Amino acid sequence: KAGVTQTPRYLIKTRGQQVTLSCSPISGHRSVSWYQQTPGQGLQFLFEYFSETQRNKGNFPGRFSGRQFSNSRSEMNVSTLELGDSALYLCASSDNRGRPGANVLTFGAGSRLTVL
Amino acid sequence: GEDVEQSLFLSVREGDSSVINCTYTDSSSTYLYWYKQEPGAGLQLLTYIFSNMDMKQDQRLTVLLNKKDKHLSLRIADTQTGDSAIYFCAERGSNYQLIWGAGTKLIIKP
Repeated sequence: KAGVTQTPRYLIKTRGQQVTLSCSPISGHRSVSWYQQTPGQGLQFLFEYFSETQRNKGNFPGRFSGRQFSNSRSEMNVSTLELGDSALYLCASSDNRGRPGANVLTFGAGSRLTVL
Repeated sequence: GEDVEQSLFLSVREGDSSVINCTYTDSSSTYLYWYKQEPGAGLQLLTYIFSNMDMKQDQRLTVLLNKKDKHLSLRIADTQTGDSAIYFCAERGSNYQLIWGAGTKLIIKP
């Protein structure tokens, strides 16, 4: 079974630009979550999508958005980039079926964004 | 609000046992997790424990849960250089949201 695939792995942008990151979950997983990881703030939850609907959202400004397609692939977009958006963006999928359970997350390797 | 706390660093000698500690505040936690992150990689699940258990063992890993004190620990026996990584503790509360600790960097001394 292929793991969670994130593209691109590395990218450099300048302030004011926008960026789109892609995540392909494990086959059969319908839940995709996005996290921002920085040395100062640690792991911060961005949002979770399930069956093309945003189910949960973290405390990030509206410049951060996402979507999920019918094949469960997900994208996140950051508009008007700021220096502080430099981070490792992690995507994780699970087979969360909406019932209580361990709902283990499987993470991708991440997309490292540098904003100059 | 809900919070998970971990020490930022732990240094142990190769061959010794490592014990990484975590405290949490949500008494209605259902599951508690340990994830490992190696340099340049995403997080990898090591193990998890259901809140009605107090211990779980898996090869070199032992998880202890003290619900009364809201304390979770991960013991790695016979620590090797390949265990160098950041270890994250996380809890899943009653609303199914994950709350993450800041991560403990495990440093192995030869």
